[in-house]
Amino acid sequence: SQQGEEDPQALSIQEGENATMNCSYKTSINNLQWYRQNSGRGLVHLILIRSNEREKHSGRLRVTLDTSKKSSSLLITASRAADTASYFCATESNDYKLSFGAGTTVTVRA
Amino acid sequence: DTAVSQTPKYLVTQMGNDKSIKCEQNLGHDTMYWYKQDSKKFLKIMFSYNNKELIINETVPNRFSPKSPDKAHLNLHINSLELGDSAVYFCASSPLGLVEAFFGQGTRLTVV
Repeated sequence: SQQGEEDPQALSIQEGENATMNCSYKTSINNLQWYRQNSGRGLVHLILIRSNEREKHSGRLRVTLDTSKKSSSLLITASRAADTASYFCATESNDYKLSFGAGTTVTVRA
Repeated sequence: DTAVSQTPKYLVTQMGNDKSIKCEQNLGHDTMYWYKQDSKKFLKIMFSYNNKELIINETVPNRFSPKSPDKAHLNLHINSLELGDSAVYFCASSPLGLVEAFFGQGTRLTVV
């Protein structure tokens, strides 16, 4: 069954604006990861946040995790045209499984 | 020196045929996966192998059979292809502990 669900399904922003997307999941996790998928390509790992962490930064990315609400958010600051992609959250539990949702499609307009 | 490579990239075939997709990783990872991405971009895990041993087998029809000849390879064989099998299939690998998964470029399978 689907573990992560991203919201919104699609997001269109102007270059330079921030993009925020959310992820909700159902069961307890060891860590939560965010991936990017450019059109026609495979997924690329962006950032991992462990279940005992609340916030993490990597360059223009900021991830938060609220285990009490079983939710996470990904913020991309000062977006660029190259950030146009689909973004997926994935949760890892104790069963060697990385479970993904359907992603948020982000379009950054020049 | 692609980390996770899968072949072919595109596969168009008729219903009822049998086809295979190959995957190889040169990262030295112990764990490999097959995922199916449908037309709505939802990624669903199909199989997971750890050091050549099957550890996850989600609800996948018996027509799908993974084979891992060694820990660097995980191939997917599909018998009696159906229209609903059309999707993009991704191979991935990760080190033990699943801190990051590395994905191949995907195989777009179209069954006509």
